[in-house]
Amino acid sequence: EDQVTQSPEALRLQEGESSSLNCSYTVSGLRGLFWYRQDPGKGPEFLFTLYSAGEEKEKERLKATLTKKESFLHITAPKPEDSATYLCAVSLGSGNTGKLIFGQGTTLQVKP
Amino acid sequence: DGGITQSPKYLFRKEGQNVTLSCEQNLNHDAMYWYRQDPGQGLRLIYYSQIVNDFQKGDIAEGYSVSREKKESFPLTVTSAQKNPTAFYLCASSIWESAEAFFGQGTRLTVV
Repeated sequence: EDQVTQSPEALRLQEGESSSLNCSYTVSGLRGLFWYRQDPGKGPEFLFTLYSAGEEKEKERLKATLTKKESFLHITAPKPEDSATYLCAVSLGSGNTGKLIFGQGTTLQVKP
Repeated sequence: DGGITQSPKYLFRKEGQNVTLSCEQNLNHDAMYWYRQDPGQGLRLIYYSQIVNDFQKGDIAEGYSVSREKKESFPLTVTSAQKNPTAFYLCASSIWESAEAFFGQGTRLTVV
């Protein structure tokens, strides 16, 4: 069964304390892996797309990496405004056109 | 500004009523999606459409219906057959299937 698991479910950091969020996946054929940020009561905001193992993408304090089994979202020196739920999703290969499978999300709280 | 517009932001439904959620995009995207988000659960796919006049069921299509008469529009009807419709509904679009999806701001539906 295709599955995406994110850990931890919740993470509390002090401002400036770097950490990583994990997204592990077991799918039949990975087309792409996506990271989103979601604020309470809002739609998810697209952050990154990763297509192949070894690929890395960066945006401000965020860096996403991809291996054959998992992806990490590294947060360097986070600020309170980075507090949000981070969602990971995978797009499957042929036969599953248009289908994204989402993880449960990691809720990040950054305290000043 | 290009984007995805969902309306209304909040919707209240009485038992036995059908309600329609609006989703419009001006990104010229071919693919459009409807997801449902419940507390503590990941996003679950209701329906998706890759081209005008064509759509496919997702994982939880029972009690829902859609249409795709125009490229820009993908309305979702929550019918009285949906037993537990209270949820946060998200519409998304992507330039092609398996590309990153961009989301609207969501509609929160509550049964009263």
